[in-house]
Amino acid sequence: GENVEQHPSTLSVQEGDSAVIKCTYSDSASNYFPWYKQELGKRPQLIIDIRSNVGEKKDQRIAVTLNKTAKHFSLHITETQPEDSAVYFCAAFMEYGNKLVFGAGTILRVKS
Amino acid sequence: DTAVSQTPKYLVTQMGNDKSIKCEQNLGHDTMYWYKQDSKKFLKIMFSYNNKELIINETVPNRFSPKSPDKAHLNLHINSLELGDSAVYFCASSQFRVGGNEKLFFGSGTQLSVL
Repeated sequence: GENVEQHPSTLSVQEGDSAVIKCTYSDSASNYFPWYKQELGKRPQLIIDIRSNVGEKKDQRIAVTLNKTAKHFSLHITETQPEDSAVYFCAAFMEYGNKLVFGAGTILRVKS
Repeated sequence: DTAVSQTPKYLVTQMGNDKSIKCEQNLGHDTMYWYKQDSKKFLKIMFSYNNKELIINETVPNRFSPKSPDKAHLNLHINSLELGDSAVYFCASSQFRVGGNEKLFFGSGTQLSVL
């Protein structure tokens, strides 16, 4: 089957704190895991991705970790800023069906 | 220059009508997609075309018919619109298909409201 579960559905943090969003996937053959950010009324845009041969990847305040054994991956945002407020989507490429399947999204609110 | 452009941005129509959404990409990508985002923000793939050939067709009602005249264009025609079709429809494109390492470039979306 094909399933990507994402938690939490909403997340409120104080400016400067860290935010963590977690996803699990069902297809053990999945090998590509991107994260997309969608600001209110805008299009989703890729912010970071990770492939199955890597356990962690970092880009400034954003990092993603992958645990292939447990079939879960997480997005970490440090020193959050108000402009980080958006909906974040994880996704996993499913060999079965040859397609990218998205999680349900996490609404992140950064309070200043 | 907009990489993936879709029109119209807003579409308000009555139940039973037929409507089309157009999409064009100038990135030279081989693969194009249609995604539907419902009111709960869930993003679900509808169709995927690679070099004008249909490769993904999710369980979408046959009232939805994609058309790809060339690899830079993927249009979506919807017949007999229903209330449940109300959503934001995103076109997207990507460059690679091997191994699924494909960064998606999304259009700005079409907000469809069926009254």
